[in-house]
Amino acid sequence: NAGVTQTPKFQVLKTGQSMTLQCAQDMNHEYMSWYRQDPGMGLRLIHYSVGAGITDQGEVPNGYNVSRSTTEDFPLRLLSAAPSQTSVYFCASSYLPDSPLHFGNGTRLTVT
Amino acid sequence: GQQVMQIPQYQHVQEGEDFTTYCNSSTTLSNIQWYKQRPGGHPVFLIQLVKSGEVKKQKRLTFQFGEAKKNSSLHITATQTTDVGTYFCAGQGDMRFGAGTRLTVKP
Repeated sequence: NAGVTQTPKFQVLKTGQSMTLQCAQDMNHEYMSWYRQDPGMGLRLIHYSVGAGITDQGEVPNGYNVSRSTTEDFPLRLLSAAPSQTSVYFCASSYLPDSPLHFGNGTRLTVT
Repeated sequence: GQQVMQIPQYQHVQEGEDFTTYCNSSTTLSNIQWYKQRPGGHPVFLIQLVKSGEVKKQKRLTFQFGEAKKNSSLHITATQTTDVGTYFCAGQGDMRFGAGTRLTVKP
């Protein structure tokens, strides 16, 4: 099993560009989530999903969209990148919302 | 909303010294999880505590859940260089994380 796979590993965007961070898991987990990690601020929840077709906002959802058309995939879209979105992004999945989270290796995003 | 505070933010110890990080929630938690993130890596699950007053051990690591289920601690006995990393607690529900405690160990 690959676990949670995130692509790309690194990305540089110019302000105003859009892009999609990909996340896929092969563990048949119902719960998936996106976090951003900034120095000194820990992991902050962006969006999460408790199953296919269901998504909800976390702590810091502004500027990001998500969809969950399948159990396996949970892409994160940046519609118009801003320098404040420079961060490391982690996708995570778990069997249930309170179950241990399995994290992907992360995407380091720089917006100039 | 629920907030999870973690202290200290940083801790530097000499190898062989003990280390403790504390996690406090503004609300009662149904469970709490602890994660470790090595430098440049991703968070890895360590343990989950569910019961009031619960204590769990993993080798040199001891985890406690407070009686009121609003605080938790992670204690490492006789730290080693392999313990280096950032330790996070996360509260139940939407799994909001504390800011983490970054541990460095001097050989």
